[in-house]
Amino acid sequence: QTVVTQEPSLSVSPGATVTLTCGLSSGSVSTNNYAGWCRQTPGQAPRTLIGNTYTRISGVPDRFSGSILENKAALTITGAQADDESIYYCILYVGGDIWRFGGGTRLTVL
Amino acid sequence: QEQVVESGGGVVQPGGSLRLSCVSSEFTLSTYGLHWVRQAPGKGPEWVAFMRKDTNDKTYADSVTGRFSISGDTSKKTLYLEMNSLRTEDTAIYFCAKDMITWGQGIPVTVSS
Repeated sequence: QTVVTQEPSLSVSPGATVTLTCGLSSGSVSTNNYAGWCRQTPGQAPRTLIGNTYTRISGVPDRFSGSILENKAALTITGAQADDESIYYCILYVGGDIWRFGGGTRLTVL
Repeated sequence: QEQVVESGGGVVQPGGSLRLSCVSSEFTLSTYGLHWVRQAPGKGPEWVAFMRKDTNDKTYADSVTGRFSISGDTSKKTLYLEMNSLRTEDTAIYFCAKDMITWGQGIPVTVSS
């Protein structure tokens, strides 16, 4: 079964840039995987930040951007802020109308 | 602003059944389709089921295939998840999500004897 991989944890200093990645155990990620990124704080529903690899969802600050980097989907936060501290999940379409979530990256801002 | 609201959760014994509902004010305006996603306590989200908008085709995670069924009623702007033969490992918060972009607040399901 295809597994979606993410860094378990990352840290970033306030104002710095950090990139989270999302890979596939079966090979490269492309735009055909329609990568999405959401974040979740405890007790809340996920909130989607990026859809279809690059599309920033309405209302999401422009410091969040999605891309493909070295055969992985990537979420870049430019100018990290304290309230960006959260768990970030990627979602990949793996074909046949099947989606998979990554295990999440816990981002610390310190 | 679009609202997505789940209902129908609760406590059920192993082997029992539940039907979840998800009402969306813009049910018919999904681009690709509607999903059910669940999150077990202390775990990350798990995709459960999808109903494609254009064809009504349905797909399921291996963990629920043969036990869960997704369906929709456009006249009621409602998505359903019929859950049968429930197991303790089905205990989770269940979310519906339109195009994996707009999420409901989630509804808890507890399977316990």
